[in-house]
Amino acid sequence: DIQMTQSPASLSASLEEIVTITCQASQDIGNWLAWYQQKPGKSPQLLIYGATSLADGVPSRFSGSRSGTQYSLKISRLQVEDIGIYYCQQASSAPFTFGSGTKLEIK
Amino acid sequence: EVQLVESGGGLVQPGRSLKLSCVASGFTFSNYGMNWIRQAPGKGLEWVAYISSGSSYIYYAETVKGRFTISRDNAKNTLYLQMTSLRSEDTALYYCARHQGGGIWFAYWGQGTLVTVSS
Repeated sequence: DIQMTQSPASLSASLEEIVTITCQASQDIGNWLAWYQQKPGKSPQLLIYGATSLADGVPSRFSGSRSGTQYSLKISRLQVEDIGIYYCQQASSAPFTFGSGTKLEIK
Repeated sequence: EVQLVESGGGLVQPGRSLKLSCVASGFTFSNYGMNWIRQAPGKGLEWVAYISSGSSYIYYAETVKGRFTISRDNAKNTLYLQMTSLRSEDTALYYCARHQGGGIWFAYWGQGTLVTVSS
């Protein structure tokens, strides 16, 4: 099974700051990676798919990138509404594993 | 508008069975693969099972293989999860989720149905 190692587990940042969350895949998954945001008490929302493509309706301050088997989610200017838990997920092969999550808070 | 509405959750004793349903609307259900994903209280997301649009391909997480069965009725626009031999560690909010075209990433989620396994 493919393991997704996500870091950091938690992150506190100031408004307008740049935030980066990373996921390391245990093997090559190409661009088969997605990022989700989950706000408290809500279902997860797809942010990024195909490692770099922005999902419909997602603000352009969110972006995804890839370097080998390391994947990053960047929020260019942190906003209050961005607080929540972020997950990566590999879509290369079953089981379609998620990362352990990053809890993002405002400092 | 895509809508996914889960039902069937509840309190069940260890070792017993439960069947979840997810009714889909707002899209052509028979064209899309579907999934069950769960989230234990205060924990992260765990993918549980996948079924292709025509039920030809089915995959399960190791934690539920042999105990859970995913199925669908395209005439009724409904996805199912039959859960047997339930354990306390199966306690979670169960979401059904639809792919976005092009990959097995989950563009649409229901609100979830809570399964609690306890004596």
